Amino acid sequence: AQKVTQAQTEISVVEKEDVTLDCVYETRDTTYYLFWYKQPPSGELVFLIRRNSFDEQNEISGRYSWNFQKSTSSFNFTITASQVVDSAVYFCALILNSGYSTLTFGKGTMLLVSP
Amino acid sequence: DADVTQTPRNRITKTGKRIMLECSQTKGHDRMYWYRQDPGLGLRLIYYSFDVKDINKGEISDGYSVSRQAQAKFSLSLESAIPNQTALYFCATSSTGGFGYTFGSGTRLTVV
Repeated sequence: AQKVTQAQTEISVVEKEDVTLDCVYETRDTTYYLFWYKQPPSGELVFLIRRNSFDEQNEISGRYSWNFQKSTSSFNFTITASQVVDSAVYFCALILNSGYSTLTFGKGTMLLVSP
Repeated sequence: DADVTQTPRNRITKTGKRIMLECSQTKGHDRMYWYRQDPGLGLRLIYYSFDVKDINKGEISDGYSVSRQAQAKFSLSLESAIPNQTALYFCATSSTGGFGYTFGSGTRLTVV
């Protein structure tokens, strides 16, 4: 069975600081997909990124970047120059490429960005 | 209209009452899911359905039941609600390959 660990329960930063959210996963499968979701205070889940296990290239989208390292089973998420609007709970998730798998979530990291 | 609609959005119910949470989707997806979110515990899978005739238990199915009335509809029932079922419930759909998850806006359930 797969498992996703987000060891950071809560992170507090001041606006404009960079912050990295850690995600470590466990699976015996070689093909899988990793995800990050954002949950703002309003409660909905916002999809941020999906990454294939075969693609270890880092990805950047504006102030967001993701570092995927299969050697350490990690898929970390960095926010550069954080803003108050980044305050949210962030979830890392994993699904196997078996066709019969379901999405498994980590416990989430609450990020609080203060002005 | 939203791709995945959950009703009600908020509900307060009493211990012992039967309650149904409803989910409908316009994505045309075969697969539907019910997740529960508790603070600090992330989202945990309650039940899932890969097609209309398929129902599977998830990680935390005790105390819950589901009904897949049609491809587009998947309901979650609490036969006798208890306070520790107070949580945020999400319905989701996905394509046959298991990707392209689309989540509803959530139902906030409080059992008093």
